[in-house]
Amino acid sequence: QVQLVESGGGLVQPGGSLRLSCAASGFTFSDYYMNWIRQAPGKGLEWVSYISSSGSTIYYADSVKGRFTISRDNAKNSLYLQMNSLRAEDTAVYYCARERSGCSGGSCYTFDYWGQGTLVTVSS
Amino acid sequence: QSALTQPRSVSGSPGQSVTISCTGTSSDVGGYKYVSWYQQHPGKAPKLMIYDVSKRPSGVPDRFSGSKSGNTASLTISGLQAEDEADYYCCSYAGSYVFGTGTKVTVL
Repeated sequence: QVQLVESGGGLVQPGGSLRLSCAASGFTFSDYYMNWIRQAPGKGLEWVSYISSSGSTIYYADSVKGRFTISRDNAKNSLYLQMNSLRAEDTAVYYCARERSGCSGGSCYTFDYWGQGTLVTVSS
Repeated sequence: QSALTQPRSVSGSPGQSVTISCTGTSSDVGGYKYVSWYQQHPGKAPKLMIYDVSKRPSGVPDRFSGSKSGNTASLTISGLQAEDEADYYCCSYAGSYVFGTGTKVTVL
């Protein structure tokens, strides 16, 4: 079955860096677009970043542009999020989410599987 | 982009129906057919319940249904059950993705 397992979260000081990983299994990872989505404590969901199946197309939310970098290694079935210049407002649970496939034009604009998330806390 | 507007909470007794609205603009909900809904139980990951406004993934009970009119999408839960108590979020494609503010569904 489809599994997405995030890791790499933790406590980091403002201005610091962290690299999140998402290990995928149960499906052909290289066929799917992937995303990072976050949820601040007690708050709603916020889309963070998208990467196409080949890694050639990448998008970011304005709130993280220039500070976060999404990448993937299809040989290792893994998705990554490098987070630099972290701020208190980046504190959240970070989920990796797979986009549903099989639509004309590529993206189906729907997140059909989510990992359990990893907590990032930015605090001094 | 601003978050889509959802009611903070809705409630109903078992067996009743509840409807959650999700209001955006012509640049998101009104402009695309790509509205999805996610259910989230406390401490758990979101789960896809509805996609493309009104389609249900395999395994989602048919008491969950979706619709859209203009800039407002809706999720209806018919025959409310105790396990439906959760937070629900809408999401629309809008060049990027924008989520709703979230609605807590309480089963009385």
